[in-house]
Amino acid sequence: DAEITQSPRHKITETGRQVTLACHQTWNHNNMFWYRQDLGHGLRLIHYSYGVQDTNKGEVSDGYSVSRSNTEDLPLTLESAASSQTSVYFCASSRGANGGNEQFFGPGTRLTVL
Amino acid sequence: SQQGEEDPQALSIQEGENATMNCSYKTSINNLQWYRQNSGRGLVHLILIRSNEREKHSGRLRVTLDTSKKSSSLLITASRAADTASYFCATDSKAAGNKLTFGGGTRVLVKP
Repeated sequence: DAEITQSPRHKITETGRQVTLACHQTWNHNNMFWYRQDLGHGLRLIHYSYGVQDTNKGEVSDGYSVSRSNTEDLPLTLESAASSQTSVYFCASSRGANGGNEQFFGPGTRLTVL
Repeated sequence: SQQGEEDPQALSIQEGENATMNCSYKTSINNLQWYRQNSGRGLVHLILIRSNEREKHSGRLRVTLDTSKKSSSLLITASRAADTASYFCATDSKAAGNKLTFGGGTRVLVKP
């Protein structure tokens, strides 16, 4: 069965370190998204991609970067982790030409920055 | 900023009762979706309603959309303990670049 996976599921890191969160989908979807979820803010879009070599900034992109070298993967990198980036991160994917279709979510990565 | 705002923020009901939650949004939309999130898990898509539709059903779920009031409601009938979760509306709008914008969610507790 097709799925979307994230790794690691839990990560503790220190301020200033570079961290990469992995997202892998086997749906063969064009579109992939990274969100963060914080209490009181719902889900906020960090970065998204509509295809290989395409990346775009979302609502809260400062301090994050992504790259899309193939259809299946969209890794999220925190260049220099900050305590404000402690959050739960969700990756999602969808088919179609834009981001308004049904999205399939991964299980999430809980990141703690000390 | 959040396009969708859910109301109430939290809801507690007995098993067998109906649960209703509402979502209001600010700009014209292409479609509106509802998602469920169980504790510690990712979101799961429940239903999508297009801007030219007024009502949609899926099993025990009923969604209505009133574009004149910029609001939607999700009704869960005959609730079960397994319906305990957070429910989020998400809007797709041209103003948001045809991407989904999520509301803050409604936490539903169904007591056995």
